[in-house]
Amino acid sequence: DQQVKQNSPSLSVQEGRISILNCDYTNSMFDYFLWYKKYPAEGPTFLISISSIKDKNEDGRFTVFLNKSAKHLSLHIVPSQPGDSAVYFCAARAGGGADGLTFGKGTHLIIQP
Amino acid sequence: DAGITQSPRYKITETGRQVTLMCHQTWSHSYMFWYRQDLGHGLRLIYYSAAADITDKGEVPDGYVVSRSKTENFPLTLESATRSQTSVYFCASSESTWQGRQPQHFGDGTRLSIL
Repeated sequence: DQQVKQNSPSLSVQEGRISILNCDYTNSMFDYFLWYKKYPAEGPTFLISISSIKDKNEDGRFTVFLNKSAKHLSLHIVPSQPGDSAVYFCAARAGGGADGLTFGKGTHLIIQP
Repeated sequence: DAGITQSPRYKITETGRQVTLMCHQTWSHSYMFWYRQDLGHGLRLIYYSAAADITDKGEVPDGYVVSRSKTENFPLTLESATRSQTSVYFCASSESTWQGRQPQHFGDGTRLSIL
């Protein structure tokens, strides 16, 4: 059973517009959420994270929103740039212990000129 | 240059062979992880380690063995490779601070094909 879901396999956005990537989760024990960006033939690169005690975190063009009651988070990229074209993974970690991350399947973001 | 490196980047082997994937990090991070990425599955945790000589199973550990005799190295061994283990393997590391565990940082992966 998938605990982290990214229901859009791909998303196409025009350059300069806002990109919104969505992620849903089912495990109430998740307390830390991350977004990673991945280019082909490279490892995932950490983008931004949010703790479950917050509902928003901003870093430059990237903002992550967390809605705990809906078990939903989203990544906003404003403005979208050609270099943002990549696969974006949503990941979550349960509190305590040394266990790893649970990843979604990823969303391929394509920024069109 | 500091970072996390995986070797080899590409490997082709046959079923039944033993193969070891290497992971080395220069940050002295306490935690290290192995994931595999398959089409339609995202990344799935195989094994992780909280410190030298401490390892534990993740979501998909069957057919894999790990060891961590030194903080900086975390090799992953397939003792008898099967075709279902054809995948891209990623190693990651992270540190733990008073603020909680920090984001994991990933290597560039090893693409393993088992014929």
